[in-house]
Amino acid sequence: EAQVTQNPRYLITVTGKKLTVTCSQNMNHEYMSWYRQDPGLGLRQIYYSMNVEVTDKGDVPEGYKVSRKEKRNFPLILESPSPNQTSLYFCASSFTGARDRPSPLHFGNGTRLTVT
Amino acid sequence: AQSVAQPEDQVNVAEGNPLTVKCTYSVSGNPYLFWYVQYPNRGLQFLLKYITGDNLVKGSYGFEAEFNKSQTSFHLKKPSALVSDSALYFCAVRDTMEYGNKLVFGAGTILRVKS
Repeated sequence: EAQVTQNPRYLITVTGKKLTVTCSQNMNHEYMSWYRQDPGLGLRQIYYSMNVEVTDKGDVPEGYKVSRKEKRNFPLILESPSPNQTSLYFCASSFTGARDRPSPLHFGNGTRLTVT
Repeated sequence: AQSVAQPEDQVNVAEGNPLTVKCTYSVSGNPYLFWYVQYPNRGLQFLLKYITGDNLVKGSYGFEAEFNKSQTSFHLKKPSALVSDSALYFCAVRDTMEYGNKLVFGAGTILRVKS
């Protein structure tokens, strides 16, 4: 089954304790992205990757890191989480990120992160 | 920079009645427009998209959307609502001038269909 898999689904942590949220897709998609969802704000892009070893900042990148060493994986790293990073996080992928080839995004089921 | 507005936090409709969820957008260039639906504890699911051509776009589960360039709108519609349509709906826009497949989302509209 074609899917985007995120782990864990729920995570409670304390301020400053490094964490990683994993994301994997099995559709051979070139493009991957991370979003956070907050009430009343919709989804905001954190980082994106056009292909392996190519990553770039989205609208709200502060406090986050990503890497794209393999095509299928795109982990989100919080080096020193803070309470304002408490949110619902979604990983998404699409066939391509090319400007002239609009591809629908496929989303994972989300990771609900609470930082105390 | 692109932006999306969904003016209604919630839309209530009776089962069997037509529904409309409103969306307006702003972009520098031409828009690619999308609708997604989110059920509780799930990720977003793609419903339909407008790229170019016919202003009326048909998508999954009987939904359709009408692109109106002069009003910069892309309202989601369905002729006859089902209780199972109750969910959170997001409109999203991508500017054709922007690098990467970045979608900008509206704040979302909760659709409640009552039997």
